[in-house]
This record gives sequence, structure tokens and C-alpha cells, in this order.
Amino acid sequence: ETGVTQTPRHLVMGMTNKKSLKCEQHLGHNAMYWYKQSAKKPLELMFVYNFKEQTENNSVPSRFSPECPNSSHLFLHLHTLQPEDSALYLCASSPRTGPETQYFGPGTRLLVL
Amino acid sequence: AQTVTQSQPEMSVQEAETVTLSCTYDTSESDYYLFWYKQPPSRQMILVIRQEAYKQQNATENRFSVNFQKAAKSFSLKISDSQLGDAAMYFCAYRTDSNYQLIWGAGTKLIIKP
Repeated sequence: ETGVTQTPRHLVMGMTNKKSLKCEQHLGHNAMYWYKQSAKKPLELMFVYNFKEQTENNSVPSRFSPECPNSSHLFLHLHTLQPEDSALYLCASSPRTGPETQYFGPGTRLLVL
Repeated sequence: AQTVTQSQPEMSVQEAETVTLSCTYDTSESDYYLFWYKQPPSRQMILVIRQEAYKQQNATENRFSVNFQKAAKSFSLKISDSQLGDAAMYFCAYRTDSNYQLIWGAGTKLIIKP
């Protein structure tokens, strides 16, 4: 499935590192989302972008910084993360921020040491 | 508060048999949407089926069907003729028409026994 791609698939970083997660969607959608998935917990919505504008920031710590240069690309910049930030980070897209189905990427498995 | 509850952390079923995964939700809204997503070990979250609350007819997609009980706020997923490829985490999700945020359940791990 190549509708929504994410790189890298796995990332190990120290607490002082700076890294970025990349998401790209090839579906012509206008809305993109970042989710955090931790073990045994429901998915947590982090950020929403609609037509490149951030429309939601779900009280996410500033050590996570999103960027949406265009409707097809979404980045999540990471710096000075904590071990509890280790999780699977999922990107999704939808035609708009309406009730349409969201299409997910494969995720980036992040481990913070 | 809007919440989604999946009371079965894990379920197992014999291949070719039928299994039902439960989901309940809490809302005061009348218009909303319900979803079942599947996340296989490869981790790509895939939509299985969706239901609009205004539709009385239960949604079906091949071997997957739902039992939507609006008054009871219940949205169970039935998988018929279970196949090995159905093994995955299954997540129930809810959203209203006005709020694009999906509210997710904690998931049910489905194991298929050959």
C-alpha cells in the first residue's frame, strides 16, 4: 500500500538528539494528522492540518514540532525527547477534516534512550 | 465526555468460525460516525467498515458486518468465516459530524487459531 508513506520506519534517538519524521500522502487529500500510539492505550491525536493550516494541537509538548509545507507532506520535528515519548507515531490523511475515512501510514517506531 | 470502550483486550477464534468484537460508546450527539479499523502486525491501520448513525441498516463489507444498536450505544463487529489474515488489533472509533477528532477504543487483539 503506497497511499500514505512514512519514513523512517524505525528510529532510535538519545534525549539530546534532534530528528524528524516524514509523512507523504499520494491520495490528493487536504487534511493530515499525527497520532501517537502507545501500548495498551487508545490512539492519541497530536496535530491536525487542513489545507496546510494547523487546526488542532492537542496539548502536545513543545518538544514535538509539526510542519506542513504543502497538502502532501507532513513532518514531525523532535528534540530533547523523553523516554516516555517512545511509541509508534502514525500519520493519516483524509480528503478534508469532515467525517471522511482517514487513511493511515505504516508508522514510525520511535525509541528514546 | 465522549468515550469508546472495547471491553475485550484479546479474543481468539478457530479458523473458519465466526467471532464478534464488542464496542460501546458514550455520546449525547445524535449525528455521528462509527468505524472499525484493523491493524495487522505490519502496523498499517486499515479501515474495515464504517457506519453512519442516521442509517438504520447495519453496514456490511464481505465477511465483515456490524450490529449497530443506537439506543444501547453499541457497535459490534462480526467476522464470519475467519481467516488467518484476519489476525490483527481491531480498533473501534467514533466521531461527530462537527468535530473531526476520532475518539478511539483501546483495541482488541484477535488471534486466529489454525
